[in-house]
Amino acid sequence: RKEVEQDPGPFNVPEGATVAFNCTYSNSASQSFFWYRQDCRKEPKLLMSVYSSGNEDGRFTAQLNRASQYISLLIRDSKLSDSATYLCVVNGGSSNTGKLIFGQGTTLQVKP
Amino acid sequence: DAGVIQSPRHEVTEMGQEVTLRCKPISGHDYLFWYRQTMMRGLELLIYFNNNVPIDDSGMPEDRFSAKMPNASFSTLKIQPSEPRDSAVYFCASREGQRGPQYFGPGTRLLVL
Repeated sequence: RKEVEQDPGPFNVPEGATVAFNCTYSNSASQSFFWYRQDCRKEPKLLMSVYSSGNEDGRFTAQLNRASQYISLLIRDSKLSDSATYLCVVNGGSSNTGKLIFGQGTTLQVKP
Repeated sequence: DAGVIQSPRHEVTEMGQEVTLRCKPISGHDYLFWYRQTMMRGLELLIYFNNNVPIDDSGMPEDRFSAKMPNASFSTLKIQPSEPRDSAVYFCASREGQRGPQYFGPGTRLLVL
């Protein structure tokens, strides 16, 4: 089983749609969680950290479910510029401090 | 503030040549990571350092790859001799502490002919 698993997609949605991505992780000791965005031929960039209580940043909402070991990202009112690959990222856990584990990414294509 | 700086941005070389990639982390960050990304294998962690000390190099493909961090503001990743299968984008990233996010440099696109 992969340490961090994501549905690779692609997710093809029209502008204005709401889209949700899920991600599962295997290490129950993981303590830090993030969503990154990567545009074609660019470096991954931090989109948002994910907190236990859930957090929102504009049209983006992240949720963490520790019991089920999954993380979600919700994008409301999607824009053409949201087209990218979204990477779920998890801290390696108490036995592997400092190391972040990246999922393979979920590709989103927003169409006019 | 300057982000992570990598050089060169592009490198084209011939098989058998030595390649050196350079990275300057964000000032104050105590973790530095080297990644490789290809379409086939995605993003792979090669090695990471904490306070200039290599912590985990299990991702380094083979002895042709080596990485150093002589001080807190500079790291190199060297491939000697290079092979066509080393062609990829190499990213450097840095991080402050064990809990925070990583910040990536723009990457070095390496093509080995």
